[in-house]
Amino acid sequence: NAGVTQTPKFRVLKTGQSMTLLCAQDMNHEYMYWYRQDPGMGLRLIHYSVGEGTTAKGEVPDGYNVSRLKKQNFLLGLESAAPSQTSVYFCASIPLGGGSQPQHFGDGTRLSIL
Amino acid sequence: GDSVTQMEGPVTLSEEAFLTINCTYTATGYPSLFWYVQYPGEGLQLLLKATKADDKGSNKGFEATYRKETTSFHLEKGSVQVSDSAVYFCALSGGGSNYKLTFGKGTLLTVNP
Repeated sequence: NAGVTQTPKFRVLKTGQSMTLLCAQDMNHEYMYWYRQDPGMGLRLIHYSVGEGTTAKGEVPDGYNVSRLKKQNFLLGLESAAPSQTSVYFCASIPLGGGSQPQHFGDGTRLSIL
Repeated sequence: GDSVTQMEGPVTLSEEAFLTINCTYTATGYPSLFWYVQYPGEGLQLLLKATKADDKGSNKGFEATYRKETTSFHLEKGSVQVSDSAVYFCALSGGGSNYKLTFGKGTLLTVNP
């Protein structure tokens, strides 16, 4: 029972490098989300998707891009990493019509930008 | 916009002490309310939820009641254990069709033996 799987779990980048974080869910959920967690800030929404082929901006979208080419996958890209993007990134998902249902979270990706 | 304000920590208690973590919210419409828990090095897990006014969510000895009149969803436990040491997040899912969560900043709880 995999649920939401994030890869990689850890990564260290140099300023200016690019990378993609992968989120995969096997629950056939319609909605997917990317959050970042910073000390004292809680979790903040970066981007989200309400279905295959759709994406939308969240609270802190600058410096990130996303794609949802397949329903089960939601990719988060950093085109030119900056130290301010050092954070723990969480992916989450819920099924269609799931406002009262809890989001299912992955275990997170810890990203450090030097 | 939606917002969640929760008690800032850290909170340090002795085993078997009573726990309260305050949470208040601002939202339009009728949000669903959640408490999530994050153990060290792990992702977020749902602790409990409530979807309408006066609902009480409960799990593992924790309880929270959805109070619309005071826009609150305070987390309580009568007797904490060392294993309850974690970060606790209050969150809401407001109106609209995207069901995104708005989180409080989190409260670190440490329970000493």
